[in-house]
Amino acid sequence: DIQMTQSPSSVSASVGDRVAITCRASQGIGIWLAWYQQKPGKAPKVLISAASSLERGVPSRFSGSGSGTDFTLTISSLLPEDFATYYCLQVYSFPRTFGQGTKVEIK
Amino acid sequence: EVQLVQSGAEVKKPGAAVKISCKVSGYTFTLSHMHWIQQAPGKGLEWMGLVDPENGKTMYPEKFQGRVTITADTSTGTAYMALSGLRSEDTAVYYCATLARGLDYWGQGTQVTVSS
Repeated sequence: DIQMTQSPSSVSASVGDRVAITCRASQGIGIWLAWYQQKPGKAPKVLISAASSLERGVPSRFSGSGSGTDFTLTISSLLPEDFATYYCLQVYSFPRTFGQGTKVEIK
Repeated sequence: EVQLVQSGAEVKKPGAAVKISCKVSGYTFTLSHMHWIQQAPGKGLEWMGLVDPENGKTMYPEKFQGRVTITADTSTGTAYMALSGLRSEDTAVYYCATLARGLDYWGQGTQVTVSS
């Protein structure tokens, strides 16, 4: 199974800050990675697919990069509605595996 | 509008089984696999398996193999996830989701509580 390691597990930031979350795969997965945002009590929502492709309707302050084993989700300037937990998901092989999540909290 | 609507919350005793439904609308059911994801309280997301509605084929991770059964009824556009041998650690919210690029939609989640 491919292990997905996210870091940091939590980050404390202020509105307007730039935040970067990384996800490392235990083996190469090409560009087959998605990023999700989850707010308390809600289902996750996809932000980015294929490592860097912004999903329709997702604000451009979100961006993704990387390939192979190392990936990054960047939020260029945090807004209040961005405080949430973020997960990566590898869609390269089965079983599908998620990162353990990164909670973005208000400083 | 694509919608995945799941059945309601369940309370089960240890050792029992649960079956959750996920009814889709707004897209052709057979076009996408249906995945199920577990989220225990305060924890992350764990993939439980999938069904291909077109042919009924399934895939399960080792952790859930033998306890989970995922099925699809193309006549009603509904996917099902059954989990047997429930234990306290199975207390969680369960989501159905398509997880397909360009067609990534999730149900609202179903709370399953396992308690004696």
